[in-house]
Amino acid sequence: QVQLQESGPGLVKPSETLSLTCTVSSGSISRDYWNWIRQPAGKGLEWIGRVYSTTNTNYNPSLKSRVSMSLDTSKNQFSLNLTSVTAADTAMYYCVRSRLNSWGVWIFDSWGQGTRVTVSS
Amino acid sequence: DIQMTQSPSSLSASVGDRVTITCRASQNINIYLNWYQQKPGKAPKLLIYGASSLQSGVPSRFSGSGSGTDFTLTISRLQPEDLATYYCQQSYSIPLYTFGQGTKLEIK
Repeated sequence: QVQLQESGPGLVKPSETLSLTCTVSSGSISRDYWNWIRQPAGKGLEWIGRVYSTTNTNYNPSLKSRVSMSLDTSKNQFSLNLTSVTAADTAMYYCVRSRLNSWGVWIFDSWGQGTRVTVSS
Repeated sequence: DIQMTQSPSSLSASVGDRVTITCRASQNINIYLNWYQQKPGKAPKLLIYGASSLQSGVPSRFSGSGSGTDFTLTISRLQPEDLATYYCQQSYSIPLYTFGQGTKLEIK
């Protein structure tokens, strides 16, 4: 059973860069697709982007100009960088595995517990 | 982008009730619709994939139906532990995944 754990600062200043890492245990990060999803307090879920096969990425167009993701197979980790943050980026950030299941449906089947990030001076 | 709209936004029901939540896509997504349950303070959990297939380990009182643009999540006999917010999510327009705004289910 794969497990995911987010880590990173809980407080980031406006205009700075939010950096988070997700450590994956009990599974190889070289396979599957690795996503970041965020959720402002009391609100819904927003897909930020995904990384796979070390260098391949896809980002939500609404965030694309500020987002980068990478994969470190030697550490079984993947990371998120979000630049020029504002208060609107305050949210719970989840790292999530997605995969194409045997029925040909893409699913988010494994989630980290989430890490809360506040953007404030 | 494909927009997902859920209704109602919230509902209150009693233990043993049959509960129905609907999700509408802004365009045809075939059966590429998943449902997630998010309990308070927890990460979401996959309940249903492909509109109607139950994820392993999910109680059989949960079921899903629909295709095209209109989908339904049904809880046949509501239990106290079903207190949660439920989200639909389309996996048709990959990789731009989008979620519904959520339906908050309260137990009377």
